[in-house]
Amino acid sequence: EPQLVESGGGLVQPGGSLKLSCAASGFTFSTYTLTWVRQAPGKGLEWVSTITVGGTTYYVDSVKGRFIVSRDNSQNTVFLQMNSLRAEDTALYYCAKDLTPQWEFDAFDIWGQGTMVTVSS
Amino acid sequence: DIQMTQSPSTLSASVGDRVTITCRASQSISSWLAWYQQKPGKAPRLLIYKASNLVSGVPTRFSGSGSGTEFTLTISSLQPDDFATYYCQKYSTYSWTFGQGTKVDIK
Repeated sequence: EPQLVESGGGLVQPGGSLKLSCAASGFTFSTYTLTWVRQAPGKGLEWVSTITVGGTTYYVDSVKGRFIVSRDNSQNTVFLQMNSLRAEDTALYYCAKDLTPQWEFDAFDIWGQGTMVTVSS
Repeated sequence: DIQMTQSPSTLSASVGDRVTITCRASQSISSWLAWYQQKPGKAPRLLIYKASNLVSGVPTRFSGSGSGTEFTLTISSLQPDDFATYYCQKYSTYSWTFGQGTKVDIK
């Protein structure tokens, strides 16, 4: 059964850095686009970043230049390096996989349980 | 950027009610729209993709329709397990945008 498990969240000071990981199992990782979505406490869902099968990356404007998404197909893991963190980055961060293999723009059929990032002094 | 607007923000309904949630895009997104259900403390669950395609395992009381800029999610007969927050999402070129969510609660 396909599964995604996030890790790496925690408390960090404004301006600090954190690297999130999302470990995948139960599907052919290298053939799917992976995405990070966040949800601030009590708020809605916000798309953050996507990395395609070919390694093309996309970011929401608010994190461009600060976040970097990457993937390691040998480890079946996707990463989100978050730098210059701000209070407004505080959220539960989910990773999610595309519904369809090889597609770049798709709905997300499998989600992890999320990892919490808190940016505060 | 294309904006996605859901209405209503909150909906109070009773078990057995027919429920309709609307999602509007600020410009045409063809049929590249998904609907998700989220319960408190849980990850979102994909219900419908490409506007009207039901995900395997999702009860048939859920249906989606629309294209272009206006879309609807309908629950034909609300069940106790359906009280949750619902999000639409567009997934066309280069960006993925969610609506603000519609909370369906008990009347």
